Amino acid sequence: GAVVSQHPSWVICKSGTSVKIECRSLDFQATTMFWYRQFPKQSLMLMATSNEGSKATYEQGVEKDKFLINHASLTLSTLTVTSAHPEDSSFYICSARDPGQGEEDIQYFGAGTRLSVL
Amino acid sequence: DAKTTQPPSMDCAEGRAANLPCNHSTISGNEYVYWYRQIHSQGPQYIIHGLKNNETNEMASLIITEDRKSSTLILPHATLRDTAVYYCIVSGGGSNYKLTFGKGTLLTVNP
Repeated sequence: GAVVSQHPSWVICKSGTSVKIECRSLDFQATTMFWYRQFPKQSLMLMATSNEGSKATYEQGVEKDKFLINHASLTLSTLTVTSAHPEDSSFYICSARDPGQGEEDIQYFGAGTRLSVL
Repeated sequence: DAKTTQPPSMDCAEGRAANLPCNHSTISGNEYVYWYRQIHSQGPQYIIHGLKNNETNEMASLIITEDRKSSTLILPHATLRDTAVYYCIVSGGGSNYKLTFGKGTLLTVNP
């Protein structure tokens, strides 16, 4: 299957600082990328949908000014957690949609980024 | 997107087939069934998907009932590395292609 690279895999930061997470599709062009968050022992929750060249669409309850998403190219989307606080500590996972053929799109996921805010 | 129902956990002996069921009784005609799995502390891995016909790839087989209200993911020869949470997801594809993850099934493969 297609490969999605996510970096960094683990980050520890101080409260109040900002953290940027990168998501790259390595062998296909992704017009749409997605950002998820997963708290311990819970399932993945979609945070936002990122379309290349346009503003991201955020799910209800997700603060767009806190979680800045940029999708400037067909292979790169970034998530910036601004002014991070301990409650933002979580596992952040990106995915990229491989257009494939017609409606049979498949999302491929990155390995995830574990964020710990002290 | 239609909701899915999966058992919270299942056990399987190494080398035996693992059959993971999923109910999706409210699935609509243009919605696909996708299966992903998540090994602990990793991102989900795509396994297989289908619309109405049975599908097979190098990882697994997907059996969809004729009325499309349920499906079964089959891992033909489970190994210890197949221990993971398996998610059955129904999605419409295209511009409405959002994946809504439920709680999935924790498959434990025992030696």
